[in-house]
Amino acid sequence: DQQVKQNSPSLSVQEGRISILNCDYTNSMFDYFLWYKKYPAEGPTFLISISSIKDKNEDGRFTVFLNKSAKHLSLHIVPSQPGDSAVYFCAASVRGSNYKLTFGKGTLLTVNP
Amino acid sequence: NAGVTQTPKFRVLKTGQSMTLLCAQDMNHEYMYWYRQDPGMGLRLIHYSVGEGTTAKGEVPDGYNVSRLKKQNFLLGLESAAPSQTSVYFCASAVGGPGSGNTIYFGEGSWLTVV
Repeated sequence: DQQVKQNSPSLSVQEGRISILNCDYTNSMFDYFLWYKKYPAEGPTFLISISSIKDKNEDGRFTVFLNKSAKHLSLHIVPSQPGDSAVYFCAASVRGSNYKLTFGKGTLLTVNP
Repeated sequence: NAGVTQTPKFRVLKTGQSMTLLCAQDMNHEYMYWYRQDPGMGLRLIHYSVGEGTTAKGEVPDGYNVSRLKKQNFLLGLESAAPSQTSVYFCASAVGGPGSGNTIYFGEGSWLTVV
């Protein structure tokens, strides 16, 4: 039973446009959400996070939105750059679980020049 | 600025052989984790540790053992390797739990092939 779902295996956008990556979760106990970016042959790199007490968190070109009632979060990248091309993982954690993360399967983002 | 370092980076094992993956972090983090990533899958937690001398099972612990004798090191052992353990292994560490602005930092990965 997959608790964190990224239903789009891939996404392709033009440079300068907005990239929107989506993530759904089923476990209502999740209260902390993170996005990681991963380049081939490298480890995941932390991008941005959001606590369940918020519905938006912004860091430069990256914004994460959380809709708790829909159990949905999204990552917006504006403007998209070719260097953003990578696999993006959504992850979730339950407070008190010793920070164990449950990951989605990832979405491959390709930003075309 | 080492962060989280994993050794070895690549290894080929024969079925039944044993080996140990070493993870070292220089950030004085309490929490350490071992994940595996398989094609088309997200990362899955194997074992984790919340401090020196402690270990606990994650989502997919079977076939693996771990030890945290020193705070900075977290070892992942395969006693009798099986082809199903062919994977990319990622170590990670964190200073504390979520909600305090902390996050989890990952190593670059160890590619293990069992033939």
